[in-house]
Amino acid sequence: SAVISQKPSRDICQRGTSLTIQCQVDSQVTMMFWYRQQPGQSLTLIATANQGSEATYESGFVIDKFPISRPNLTFSTLTVSNMSPEDSSIYLCSVKEGGNQPQHFGDGTRLSIL
Amino acid sequence: GESVGLHLPTLSVQEGDNSIINCAYSNSASDYFIWYKQESGKGPQFIIDIRSNMDKRQGQRVTVLLNKTVKHLSLQIAATQPGDSAVYFCAENSYSGNTPLVFGKGTRLSVIA
Repeated sequence: SAVISQKPSRDICQRGTSLTIQCQVDSQVTMMFWYRQQPGQSLTLIATANQGSEATYESGFVIDKFPISRPNLTFSTLTVSNMSPEDSSIYLCSVKEGGNQPQHFGDGTRLSIL
Repeated sequence: GESVGLHLPTLSVQEGDNSIINCAYSNSASDYFIWYKQESGKGPQFIIDIRSNMDKRQGQRVTVLLNKTVKHLSLQIAATQPGDSAVYFCAENSYSGNTPLVFGKGTRLSVIA
């Protein structure tokens, strides 16, 4: 399965600032997804990021708050903009190598906003 | 909307015993189900999957059972070990589609040595 690397692994940020999270995959993948996992909870899909098209956002998530880039088949970024303490979460990148393959996850970015 | 949920939020088992983690799903159109294990500080790790044309699939020390009649999924772990302590999630979607997974709430498994 694909190896997924996220940077940074964790960060502590000030309120009102923005942070860009990078996701690098060691192989070309068709589909990439960004999830949020709030403390002690399950994973919630933020958006689907497919190369060559605009990201598709789930209900409750908007592009102005979570802009996403997908410049090629091995890389994506998620920016958390104008952060508030409510954005403190784990942000996870996930990939699917094909329609009949399971999704795999990176180890996430642990974000705390003061 | 459609959702995937779990019956038990926490489960404690004695080392060496078998563990059973349950999951209910509500989307009758789902035909692909996955169990993930998430250890502290890590992302979810794929354990085992099953398609809806099967009712049982076995891996190394793990078995997944699917009951489509009652929309129920379970993960059985044989001879539970301390390293099995983690949060377990079930997830579902369409096997051949491009849709992302929908996750259940998770069950924390604690193994008592």
